[in-house]
Amino acid sequence: DGGITQSPKYLFRKEGQNVTLSCEQNLNHDAMYWYRQDPGQGLRLIYYSQIVNDFQKGDIAEGYSVSREKKESFPLTVTSAQKNPTAFYLCASSTTRLAGGKTQYFGPGTRLTVL
Amino acid sequence: AQKITQTQPGMFVQEKEAVTLDCTYDTSDPSYGLFWYKQPSSGEMIFLIYQGSYDQQNATEGRYSLNFQKARKSANLVISASQLGDSAMYFCAMRVGGAQKLVFGQGTRLTINP
Repeated sequence: DGGITQSPKYLFRKEGQNVTLSCEQNLNHDAMYWYRQDPGQGLRLIYYSQIVNDFQKGDIAEGYSVSREKKESFPLTVTSAQKNPTAFYLCASSTTRLAGGKTQYFGPGTRLTVL
Repeated sequence: AQKITQTQPGMFVQEKEAVTLDCTYDTSDPSYGLFWYKQPSSGEMIFLIYQGSYDQQNATEGRYSLNFQKARKSANLVISASQLGDSAMYFCAMRVGGAQKLVFGQGTRLTINP
């Protein structure tokens, strides 16, 4: 089945540690995205990538880094510079064609807790 | 600046009734897309429906329809014959022009009562 997978589902981090969240898609989509969701809030864009080996900062990129070495994969690293990383992280993908509105499809999310 | 406003933090509806979730948007770009997503307690965002700014007809997908009123800049989601499984958070989102990013509203928590 085509879809987006994220791992792990739950992640616990000690202060000062970097952690990497995995996102893989087999929808053959060119674009991939990372969002952060805080309790009772909407989603905010961290980073996005429209093509392999290229990515752009979103609205809240500070303290995060990404890579896009393969079309299928877009891992997010939460660095120790991110002051308040506890949140729910959602990965999404879409085509870059305008037809269909570039609808973004989401993975199941990773809940990160800093201890 | 682009903005989405959802003014209903929570709604309670009896099963089998229709429900309308409000969404207003703000953009000066004539080309944009409007989306609705459902987020159950599991957390996954489920795409429901899409409306393009140049679409002549209101979008429909099964029990979901989008009441698009361009002059009022509103894009309300209508769910007909609500079911217990419709209980979830619902988010309205907008993509402007050729941009890839979505701007999300704060969401509405819908509870369907038996």
